[in-house]
Amino acid sequence: AQKITQTQPGMFVQEKEAVTLDCTYDTSDPSYGLFWYKQPSSGEMIFLIYQGSYDQQNATEGRYSLNFQKARKSANLVISASQLGDSAMYFCAMSHYGGATNKLIFGTGTLLAVQP
Amino acid sequence: DTEVTQTPKHLVMGMTNKKSLKCEQHMGHRAMYWYKQKAKKPPELMFVYSYEKLSINESVPSRFSPECPNSSLLNLHLHALQPEDSALYLCASSLTGRLDTQYFGPGTRLTVL
Repeated sequence: AQKITQTQPGMFVQEKEAVTLDCTYDTSDPSYGLFWYKQPSSGEMIFLIYQGSYDQQNATEGRYSLNFQKARKSANLVISASQLGDSAMYFCAMSHYGGATNKLIFGTGTLLAVQP
Repeated sequence: DTEVTQTPKHLVMGMTNKKSLKCEQHMGHRAMYWYKQKAKKPPELMFVYSYEKLSINESVPSRFSPECPNSSLLNLHLHALQPEDSALYLCASSLTGRLDTQYFGPGTRLTVL
C-alpha cells in the first residue's frame, strides 16, 4: 500500500538559516510523483515543488529544493535562507494511480516556525 | 495563472439546511477534486471528476453530493449535515489527473450547528 511518512511534527529554525523537512514514502508503483505543499494558517494549500520518479536530477524552485533519494525512498524538502513568512504547515504528498485518475495521498505534515 | 477560486469563504449552516460550495478554475484543467480537512490533519480526498465525469468517490456519505456542470466548475451540494462535518473543504484542479500537479483553492470553512 502507498504511504507517506513525515516524522517531524514541529520544527524551529532561525531566520536566514536553512532547514530540512523529512519525508519518506512507500510504493510499489514504478511511476509516481512527489510533491510538497505549504499551508499557512489561512488554509490555502500552496504548491511548492514536484519530483517525478524518473527524474534524474533533484528538483529546485527558488529557495526550495527537493533532496530525492530513490533507493532510500526519501524526498526531503530543503528551504534555504528561511524567512518569517515560511512559518506554516508543510505537507509531503505522493501521487499514485487510483484507477481512472491519480490520487494524491498526504503525510501528516510538519509545522515549521521561523524565529527572528 | 494557477488560480482556483472557491465560494463562500465561510459557511455556517444548521443540520436541516441545504447549501452548496462552488469551485471554479479557468486554466483548462480537466480534473477537479474535493478534499475535506479537519484541524491539524492532512486533507482527505472525497471526490474526483475527470473530463466532467465522476471518477473517484471515496465512500463519502450521500449527504455530500458533487456536481460538475462543465469543465471549469465544480459544486458540492450539502444536505442534512452533522456537526462532525465541520471542516475546511478544499477544491483542487489539475491538467489531466495523471501524475500532474494539483492546484488548490483557498477553501471554504464550514461550520455545522
